[in-house]
Amino acid sequence: DIQMTQSPSSLPASLGERVTISCRSSQGISNNLNWYQQKPDGTIKPLIYYTSNLQSGVPSRFSGSGSGTYYSLTISSLEPKDFAMYYCQQDASFPWTFGGGTKLELK
Amino acid sequence: EVQLQQSGAELVRPGTSVKLSCKVSGDTITAYYMHFVKQRPGQGLEWIGRIDPEDDSTQYAEKFKKRATLTADTSSNTAYLKLSSLTSEDTAIYFCTTSSYYNGYPVMDAWGQGASVTVSS
Repeated sequence: DIQMTQSPSSLPASLGERVTISCRSSQGISNNLNWYQQKPDGTIKPLIYYTSNLQSGVPSRFSGSGSGTYYSLTISSLEPKDFAMYYCQQDASFPWTFGGGTKLELK
Repeated sequence: EVQLQQSGAELVRPGTSVKLSCKVSGDTITAYYMHFVKQRPGQGLEWIGRIDPEDDSTQYAEKFKKRATLTADTSSNTAYLKLSSLTSEDTAIYFCTTSSYYNGYPVMDAWGQGASVTVSS
């Protein structure tokens, strides 16, 4: 199985700040990397697919980049609704696997 | 817009099984792969497996292969996850989700609200 490692696990940040979450895969995944957001009420929504493609309706302050085994999610200017859990997920091969998550919290 | 409605909370005894349902509305279930994802209390997301309701083909994560069974009923637009030989390690929220293709790439785009399973004697 491909292991996904996210860092940091917790990220205190302020409104308006630019933040970056990292995700590393245990082997190359050829950009088959997605990002998901989970709100405190449990609802989950996709943000970015295939490394850098914004899902419909997702604000442009979200962006993704990376290649090989290193990927990242950047939020350019934090808004109150952005404080949530974030997960990377690979679909290069079965089983699909998720990173351990990053909790973005208000500093 | 596709919506997923999951069955309610379950309290089950160790060693028994549970069957969770996930009803698709707004489209036909055969248009999607249906996945189930596990989230233990305070933990991250874990992919269990997926089913193609078009032909009932399945893929499972190895650790769930022996105890999880995914099925789909196209007449009721519903997917099911049956989990057997339950232990306390199965206490979790179970999400169903559809995957669609965007520019040829799969995305788990619609998610159910989650179904809570508590395994306790």
